[in-house]
Amino acid sequence: QITLKESGPTLVTPTQTLTLTCTFSGFPFSVSGLGVGWIRQPPGKALEWLALIYWDGDKRYSPSLNSRLTITKDASENRVVLTMTNMEPLDTATYYCARAWCGGDCNNYYFDYWGQGTLVTASS
Amino acid sequence: QSVLTQPPSVSGAPGQRVTISCTGSSSNIGAGRDVHWYQQLPGTAPKLLIYSNLFRPSGVPDRFSGSKSGTSATLAITGLQAEDEADYYCQSYDNSLSVPYVFGTGTKVTVL
Repeated sequence: QITLKESGPTLVTPTQTLTLTCTFSGFPFSVSGLGVGWIRQPPGKALEWLALIYWDGDKRYSPSLNSRLTITKDASENRVVLTMTNMEPLDTATYYCARAWCGGDCNNYYFDYWGQGTLVTASS
Repeated sequence: QSVLTQPPSVSGAPGQRVTISCTGSSSNIGAGRDVHWYQQLPGTAPKLLIYSNLFRPSGVPDRFSGSKSGTSATLAITGLQAEDEADYYCQSYDNSLSVPYVFGTGTKVTVL
């Protein structure tokens, strides 16, 4: 059974750095074609992709947030960590981690398993 | 602002067929990139509904189907049921933005 779960603070103060952890189970991160990504959703708004790290350590970031994001993995501990610097109220959202899988065509990844999400509020 | 445009809302009576469009451009869907669809029930995380344009993961009813043509993709729901009331998002890849993952603007499906 594949599961992912997000953990981290529910409230951050503007200008602080947010650190979120995705703990997953049910799949080895060493398998070619896998990735773990972060997606957020402000209240009442659409999904926005943030970052993704692949099985081989390669990383991709949203260009609009690239300077503020860092994604790392600890495969031995089945964890992926996302940090976002200089948080502001507009970053208030539910943050999801999700497994990315490309099947046979690794030019086209999709998110096949999702965590339940964690609501992060940026407010003073 | 997403590069994949969806209608904000669609509605239908139980048993009817509804479709949701996902309109992109020559740098994403039109460039041959696959489209994937997600269903988000109220208060829950998104769930993969259709992958690689037309494939259903195990457990997804065959009432849901996907197709792609040119710079657009379509999700169809036939035999609409009350439990299908949710938000639906398409997702693809955009070459021009170097953004591997772009989501659509989202569509709210209401069962009348």
